[in-house]
Amino acid sequence: DVKVTQSSRYLVKRTGEKVFLECVQDMDHENMFWYRQDPGLGLRLIYFSYDVKMKEKGDIPEGYSVSREKKERFSLILESASTNQTSMYLCASSLYSPRGRWEQYFGPGTRLTVT
Amino acid sequence: DAKTTQPPSMDCAEGRAANLPCNHSTISGNEYVYWYRQIHSQGPQYIIHGLKNNETNEMASLIITEDRKSSTLILPHATLRDTAVYYCIVRVMEYGNKLVFGAGTILRVKS
Repeated sequence: DVKVTQSSRYLVKRTGEKVFLECVQDMDHENMFWYRQDPGLGLRLIYFSYDVKMKEKGDIPEGYSVSREKKERFSLILESASTNQTSMYLCASSLYSPRGRWEQYFGPGTRLTVT
Repeated sequence: DAKTTQPPSMDCAEGRAANLPCNHSTISGNEYVYWYRQIHSQGPQYIIHGLKNNETNEMASLIITEDRKSSTLILPHATLRDTAVYYCIVRVMEYGNKLVFGAGTILRVKS
């Protein structure tokens, strides 16, 4: 089974702190994604990466950066956490298939609270 | 990308079929229809996808109309564990492409 793991299930940080959210997948997938999920807003894509050291901005990249130094690991960085970044953060990975099977595997999520 | 429209919520009796509709009237010829679901406190889970033919797997069936402007996800025998938010997504599958999740349909399966 594909497994996507996230470093923490719950995290509480203070305003202004630098925050690292780690995501690891074990299926050699090329593509990895970071989303945030907020009530009434659904899932919104922050950043994605389709190869090592490659990254693309999603719909809401402001206030975030990412790092992909190894294929299995995709990190989301909040340079200076703010209260409006309190959210559920979800990591996903997928394998590109020309036949259209674009199955994204999601991690369990990290609920981040910034106080 | 085609926009999708789903009802905000639906109820279904346990053991009955749950039929979740999705409208995608602006879908283009190379866009696939994907269904995911998200059970409370978990990440979304892939269910099924299709292009123009009906599809079935161990979880569900996907019926796509001939004009491809709408589709229906069918859970043949809904259980309480199927209570979740169901997302219909229409997307061209290109290298580096990504899924965009809308608000989805909250399905409540009741005993």
